[in-house]
Amino acid sequence: KNQVEQSPQSLIILEGKNCTLQCNYTVSPFSNLRWYKQDTGRGPVSLTIMTFSENTKSNGRYTATLDADTKQSSLHITASQLSDSASYICVVSAQNDYKLSFGAGTTVTVRA
Amino acid sequence: EAQVTQNPRYLITVTGKKLTVTCSQNMNHEYMSWYRQDPGLGLRQIYYSMNVEVTDKGDVPEGYKVSRKEKRNFPLILESPSPNQTSLYFCASIPFGHTEAFFGQGTRLTVV
Repeated sequence: KNQVEQSPQSLIILEGKNCTLQCNYTVSPFSNLRWYKQDTGRGPVSLTIMTFSENTKSNGRYTATLDADTKQSSLHITASQLSDSASYICVVSAQNDYKLSFGAGTTVTVRA
Repeated sequence: EAQVTQNPRYLITVTGKKLTVTCSQNMNHEYMSWYRQDPGLGLRQIYYSMNVEVTDKGDVPEGYKVSRKEKRNFPLILESPSPNQTSLYFCASIPFGHTEAFFGQGTRLTVV
């Protein structure tokens, strides 16, 4: 069964600090991995996509990494802002399949 | 504006009273799907549709029905709601050949 596990479940950081979220998956055959940001009371929105050949990709202060050999990804948030407070969901797609495998999410709280 | 629209956003109902949550997308996407989101469990797929008149069960279909009479609409029907269907529901669509899901704003359903 395809699985996606995220850690930590939640974290609290001070404004301006950095943090890293982890995602491990067993989805096969792997197509791509996306990180979504879900603000409270809103639907998830895609932040970045990682394909098999990509190791690192940045979107502003968000940097995602992928190690396809160990089936691990991370999302690094640099110089956090209050608006980064949200749930971050790791979503993995298998080849030739619309079905998405979701992690349970990491809730990030940024405090002033 | 390209979007997925769900209605209602909030709903409180009583056990056994049939209800429908509507979902409409204006992006001409073939694939549409319903998910429920519960604390600690992440997003779980209820039903999905590959195209008009084509629907199939997801991981947690019990107690739900769907229909896809038109490409843009994909309503979720609860014939006899029960308290264990209290949850946050999301509709999403995916364009053909892609994997990015576009989510609605969510519907918070409480069954008492």
